Amino acid sequence: DAGVIQSPRHEVTEMGQEVTLRCKPISGHDYLFWYRQTMMRGLELLIYFNNNVPIDDSGMPEDRFSAKMPNASFSTLKIQPSEPRDSAVYFCASTRIQGPEAFFGQGTRLTVV
Amino acid sequence: GQQLNQSPQSMFIQEGEDVSMNCTSSSIFNTWLWYKQDPGEGPVLLIALYKAGELTSNGRLTAQFGITRKDSFLNISASIPSDVGIYFCAGPGNTGKLIFGQGTTLQVKP
Repeated sequence: DAGVIQSPRHEVTEMGQEVTLRCKPISGHDYLFWYRQTMMRGLELLIYFNNNVPIDDSGMPEDRFSAKMPNASFSTLKIQPSEPRDSAVYFCASTRIQGPEAFFGQGTRLTVV
Repeated sequence: GQQLNQSPQSMFIQEGEDVSMNCTSSSIFNTWLWYKQDPGEGPVLLIALYKAGELTSNGRLTAQFGITRKDSFLNISASIPSDVGIYFCAGPGNTGKLIFGQGTTLQVKP
């Protein structure tokens, strides 16, 4: 199994630009999670999906952030417009059952200048 | 809300030394997970604990599920340079979300 695949690995963009992060979960996993990691706040859960349906987006910082999961093998996290404070590492994770034993991708390091 | 508190926040040890770190909560968890994050990578699951009092090993790593279900411990024996990284404890919260501690950063001096 290839594991959770995220792209791009690194993204540098200018403030105000739209950013789209991509994730392919492990085949057969029912849940997909988007996390953000910063030095100040650690790992924060942004949103998670069950069977492609968003279940809880209470962690999404503001309306500039949106996430979609059009099918079981693909999800996107979009930031529009991006701001410097969005700079962080964004992780996607998937699991066969909710919660325990989530498997993480390698992350996307986003830098907004 | 539910929180997991890890200590120590960071450790700097000599190669060959044993390492102990812990994770505590004011509320009960039914599962405890320990992850390691290498620099530039995503967290990788090391050990999962499902029963109070459970002691589980993975190579040089040993983790225990506290009998009160409010804490867990991770020990690393005979540390080596590749043990460097951030160690996270995690557990499913009341709403089912996976809650992470703030991590313990381990540095090993050869």
